[in-house]
Amino acid sequence: GAVVSQHPSWVICKSGTSVKIECRSLDFQATTMFWYRQFPKQSLMLMATSNEGSKATYEQGVEKDKFLINHASLTLSTLTVTSAHPEDSSFYICSASSVLNEQFFGPGTRLTVL
Amino acid sequence: TQLLEQSPQFLSIQEGENLTVYCNSSSVFSSLQWYRQEPGEGPVLLVTVVTGGEVKKLKRLTFQFGDARKDSSLHITAAQPGDTGLYLCAGGQETSGSRLTFGEGTQLTVNP
Repeated sequence: GAVVSQHPSWVICKSGTSVKIECRSLDFQATTMFWYRQFPKQSLMLMATSNEGSKATYEQGVEKDKFLINHASLTLSTLTVTSAHPEDSSFYICSASSVLNEQFFGPGTRLTVL
Repeated sequence: TQLLEQSPQFLSIQEGENLTVYCNSSSVFSSLQWYRQEPGEGPVLLVTVVTGGEVKKLKRLTFQFGDARKDSSLHITAAQPGDTGLYLCAGGQETSGSRLTFGEGTQLTVNP
C-alpha cells in the first residue's frame, strides 16, 4: 500500500504554545488529505478535509482558527494546533487518499500539552 | 447523517477461537474498507470491497460486503494473539469523494 509519514511522532509542549504536525504522502500524490483525532480505544473523529491549493473543510464543532491546516503541495499537509491547552492532548492522525478513494493513514502524532 | 454501526465494541477471546465483527448501516455505500490499528499507530488498510455480495479472503480473515451494500462483516478463523487490535470499518460514497464514514471500532483481544 501507499506510504504516509507523519512528523513528529510525539510532542510535549507547554500550554499556550503552538505545535505543527506534518503529513507527507511518500510515494503518491494526494489531492486530498484528512486530519483525524482519536481518543484511547475509540474510533477516528474526522476534523477536516484538506485539498491541495484550497482552504480546508472543517467538520462541525472543529475550530478552524485553532486547528490551522495548510495543504501547499500534493504530498504535504500540515496541521498547526494554535495556543494549545491540555484538552487538546490527543492522538492526531492524517490520511491521504489515492485515485481509488482509498485512504492510507500516517502513523499518528501523540500530542501532550502540559 | 450516514452512520456505520459496528459490533461488538469489545471482544476478548482465547487463541484458536473464531469471531465475526459486523458493520451495519441504513445507507448504501459504494465501497467499504476494513482497517486494523495497533496502539500508538495509524490504521492499516486490510481490504476494500466494492461489489454487493463480494467476498474477499486474506489468510484467516474473510470479508463480506452485503448484497445491498449496506453492511459488511469480518470473520477471523482460529484467532491468534497477533490479531489483537482495533478493527475499523469505513464506508465511502460517490457523493462524498474520498471522505469516509467510520464505524465505532471493535477492540479485539486474543488471549494466548
